[in-house]
Amino acid sequence: AQKVTQAQTEISVVEKEDVTLDCVYETRDTTYYLFWYKQPPSGELVFLIRRNSFDEQNEISGRYSWNFQKSTSSFNFTITASQVVDSAVYFCALSGPLGSNTGKLIFGQGTTLQVKP
Amino acid sequence: GAGVSQSPSNKVTEKGKDVELRCDPISGHTALYWYRQSLGQGLEFLIYFQGNSAPDKSGLPSDRFSAERTGGSVSTLTIQRTQQEDSAVYLCASSLAKNTEAFFGQGTRLTVV
Repeated sequence: AQKVTQAQTEISVVEKEDVTLDCVYETRDTTYYLFWYKQPPSGELVFLIRRNSFDEQNEISGRYSWNFQKSTSSFNFTITASQVVDSAVYFCALSGPLGSNTGKLIFGQGTTLQVKP
Repeated sequence: GAGVSQSPSNKVTEKGKDVELRCDPISGHTALYWYRQSLGQGLEFLIYFQGNSAPDKSGLPSDRFSAERTGGSVSTLTIQRTQQEDSAVYLCASSLAKNTEAFFGQGTRLTVV
């Protein structure tokens, strides 16, 4: 069965601190996709990134970076120099396998990030 | 429309009544998802539609829940004989294809009293 675990329920940092959100996944599939979504206080989930299981390259987008390690089944998300606007709930999600009939996303429980000024 | 539209945005219903929640996906998106989010909780998968394929109903919690997608576009989630534990935000999302970026609507907040 597929499962996503975000062990950190809540994190609080002061603005400009770096913060890493952990995501550990379980799947028996050899091909799969991993995602991160942000849910700001307004409530609407916003897509941040998608990674496929073939590509373990780390990715950087501005202040955001992602570290994908298949050996530890982890897909961690780091925010550098955090800002108050980064305050939100962040969800990690898993889908797959490639070629299956279903594309359902399995979400973790989410990590609430509070960035204080 | 520009994004995924859900209606109503809020629904209060009496225990035992049936409710219908509507989702208008982004035009051209073949995949459509329904999720449930209880207060302070994660997203619980309900059902997934992909084109004309049989939907993945593996997340529906009981036979009181059903969903359909007409003409590969609009979807309706129906909850029969609502119970208090059905109170949650019901989220709909669509994507161009499976395993691609999903765009979420604002959700329908259902309260069963």
